Amino acid sequence: AQSVTQPDIHITVSEGASLELRCNYSYGATPYLFWYVQSPGQGLQLLLKYFSGDTLVQGIKGFEAEFKRSQSSFNLRKPSVHWSDAAEYFCAVGASPTGKLIFGQGTTLQVKP
Amino acid sequence: EPEVTQTPSHQVTQMGQEVILRCVPISNHLYFYWYRQILGQKVEFLVSFYNNEISEKSEIFDDQFSVERPDGSNFTLKIRSTKLEDSAMYFCASLTSSSDEQYFGPGTRLTVT
Repeated sequence: AQSVTQPDIHITVSEGASLELRCNYSYGATPYLFWYVQSPGQGLQLLLKYFSGDTLVQGIKGFEAEFKRSQSSFNLRKPSVHWSDAAEYFCAVGASPTGKLIFGQGTTLQVKP
Repeated sequence: EPEVTQTPSHQVTQMGQEVILRCVPISNHLYFYWYRQILGQKVEFLVSFYNNEISEKSEIFDDQFSVERPDGSNFTLKIRSTKLEDSAMYFCASLTSSSDEQYFGPGTRLTVT
């Protein structure tokens, strides 16, 4: 069965520091992988996605993620965090671009000034 | 920028009552989804809808749930007889196959008392 694990429920980083949010997935075939962000009172916004090709994908707001098949991981990174990045981040996996998404538990990011 | 809208933002209902959650997807989108997030838990897939019929549903989506696209613009989720455990945030999403991205609405918080 498909599943997604985000090991870190809550992460606090200082503004300007680098960030890495972890995501591990379990899926039998090549997955479609996504990272979404949710700010308070807002819907889920897509940061980036991986379907195939280059395993390092660039997204919006300066985020990137690297697909590592051998580790079943799709970690999200940002070199320098801004206070406005404080939000909840969700990793998700799908069987196809139009299929259902399976979400991880989410990671809440807090940014210290 | 086009967005998915959902009404109401918060719905309080008594156990056993029927509720209808409404969504207006982005106008040229063809695929529609409902997800829910019980407080403190993962975002869970409920149902997907394409070409005026359900394309996939989860085990959560039992006979108490139904979806409809009554007028070509709205997409509704009905819960016939609400239970306490239906209390959750319900998210609607829509997608057009050319973008491969599910656009999420801000959610409706359903509280069953």
